[in-house]
Amino acid sequence: GIQVEQSPPDLILQEGANSTLRCNFSDSVNNLQWFHQNPWGQLINLFYIPSGTKQNGRLSATTVATERYSLLYISSSQTTDSGVYFCAGEETSGSRLTFGEGTQLTVNP
Amino acid sequence: DGGITQSPKYLFRKEGQNVTLSCEQNLNHDAMYWYRQDPGQGLRLIYYSQIVNDFQKGDIAEGYSVSREKKESFPLTVTSAQKNPTAFYLCASSPGGRYGYTFGSGTRLTVV
Repeated sequence: GIQVEQSPPDLILQEGANSTLRCNFSDSVNNLQWFHQNPWGQLINLFYIPSGTKQNGRLSATTVATERYSLLYISSSQTTDSGVYFCAGEETSGSRLTFGEGTQLTVNP
Repeated sequence: DGGITQSPKYLFRKEGQNVTLSCEQNLNHDAMYWYRQDPGQGLRLIYYSQIVNDFQKGDIAEGYSVSREKKESFPLTVTSAQKNPTAFYLCASSPGGRYGYTFGSGTRLTVV
């Protein structure tokens, strides 16, 4: 089956710090996406990033498809960045989205 | 505004009871999905539908049923055969192609 693995599982930061979250995925995965789940459970799509680099404000993401990994960068973190960050990929044979286990981020004031 | 509406936000089920979770979207998306999330874990796929009147089982379909009679609606029934239904249920949709998924705000189901 397809594999989507995230690291680290937990991350605690002071406000203003930068961080990098990693997602490794197997050969049968493509169309990588990053999501943020807030403390109320709402999942927000941050990036659709099959390859290359995208930026949105303090967040940016890079996917190197040939090496099967993606990175999410958070700069100048704020307390509102807290929550769980998921990466997810689609199977090459269809449109099923498989999620990693997530990175729990806590940003302290 | 376009989006996905899930209802109710909280649902309590008695032993042996079937309950139905609603998911409606006005994004004109072809594909819709149901995921289950247990505390501290990732999302697991229950069922998905890529077109009206067609749907496929995901990884944990046992004890659940769905229908897709309209493009906008994809209700999920949690049957009495699902022995451990307490979880957070999330519905999503996608237009397909090179676009991301949009999620609803979820339904928290508790067995009492």
